Amino acid sequence: EIVLTQSPATLSVSPGERVTLSCRASQTVTSDLAWYQQKPGQAPRLLIYAASTRATGIPARFSGSGSGTEFTLTISSLQSEDFAVYYCQQYNNWRYTFGQGTRLEIK
Amino acid sequence: QPQLQASGPGLVQPSETLSLTCTVSGDSTSNIDYFWGWIRQPPGKGLEWIASIYYSGSAYHNPSLKSRVTISADTSKNRFSLELNSVTAADTALYFCARQRYDSSGYYYPRWFDPWGQGVLVTVSS
Repeated sequence: EIVLTQSPATLSVSPGERVTLSCRASQTVTSDLAWYQQKPGQAPRLLIYAASTRATGIPARFSGSGSGTEFTLTISSLQSEDFAVYYCQQYNNWRYTFGQGTRLEIK
Repeated sequence: QPQLQASGPGLVQPSETLSLTCTVSGDSTSNIDYFWGWIRQPPGKGLEWIASIYYSGSAYHNPSLKSRVTISADTSKNRFSLELNSVTAADTALYFCARQRYDSSGYYYPRWFDPWGQGVLVTVSS
């Protein structure tokens, strides 16, 4: 099983700030990585797939990068609606796994 | 964007079988470009993939749950289902269904999940 480790677990930030979330894989997943946003009481929403491709309708302030075992999700200027939990998911093999999540909190 | 709606009992007795159905609108479960999957989230915790199925019946299962899981698809009713037997309190979770992107050439495994249904909370308790 490929383990995904996200850091930090919680990040306190102010609106307008730039933030970078990390996802590290226990073995290479090439570029087979997705990012999701989950708000309280809602289902996860796909943000990024193939490590760096924004999903349909996702604002340009969200960007993904990385390959192999190290990945990042960057939000260039935090908006109030971006405070949520973010998960990464690998699909390099069929034993799909998710990271434990990073919670973005308002400072 | 298609819509997925999970439904099923909110309370299941320990040792019994959890049964859920996901009804799809705005897409067809026979679409060759997608698998259809189940993911769960225990209260306050992270996401765990359970299983995914193709219209043909081909399926992938989480090895940690495989012995207890049955996933099936009914393309005539445009829905797919999950059964999880011998449940315990550890199976209490919000259960989501989701569409999973697939390259029908067969060269790749099914990939990311999009969109997701709202989820149904299942509590295992006597």
